[in-house]
Amino acid sequence: GAGVSQSPRYKVAKRGQDVALRCDPISGHVSLFWYQQALGQGPEFLTYFQNEAQLDKSGLPSDRFFAERPEGSVSTLKIQRTQQEDSAVYLCASSLAGRVQSSGNTIYFGEGSWLTVV
Amino acid sequence: GQQLNQSPQSMFIQEGEDVSMNCTSSSIFNTWLWYKQDPGEGPVLLIALYKAGELTSNGRLTAQFGITRKDSFLNISASIPSDVGIYFCAGQGGSNYKLTFGKGTLLTVNP
Repeated sequence: GAGVSQSPRYKVAKRGQDVALRCDPISGHVSLFWYQQALGQGPEFLTYFQNEAQLDKSGLPSDRFFAERPEGSVSTLKIQRTQQEDSAVYLCASSLAGRVQSSGNTIYFGEGSWLTVV
Repeated sequence: GQQLNQSPQSMFIQEGEDVSMNCTSSSIFNTWLWYKQDPGEGPVLLIALYKAGELTSNGRLTAQFGITRKDSFLNISASIPSDVGIYFCAGQGGSNYKLTFGKGTLLTVNP
């Protein structure tokens, strides 16, 4: 597709359930980011990949959160034993080259996966 | 996590009016960005600012990168109903690729 594609768009999970959120970045994009957006807040950084390498996972809130991008394209964000505080929109973003937003390197966001933990 | 101070939190205006919103930070940023997020969508980049003092326009939108590198504002002129949405500022440090976002300004335009 033309943009960053995320699935599922909406997910309701029971507390304690594991969830997996998928991101298809724009074809050929080297950099991939995950952000978490709580209700009424701005997005907050979770993790960054350059190709298949996870170069920064400092924003992951706990060891229940795990992200991977094994072949350098599609990425999966996995949340184990979900808690109510995990309820948020999970945004994936990608950019063609490099990590920094510049005039030649726009970071594009997907529509997000809306997770509700009940 | 750290977030920028964005104001106002919400605005309710009449179609045709001008709008101004701003962001401040205790940290210096090398890049300031303004995004718009429609309901159920991801943020879409409106304007990017790369130099302190820079003033950039994109149609009816104008944004400025503060001279101290700790603030930015966004103006929307002659608002129209499709301007409705949440506007976010975001800052990016020098070699730090992480975007730090404000909490957003909810704009409602009354036709």
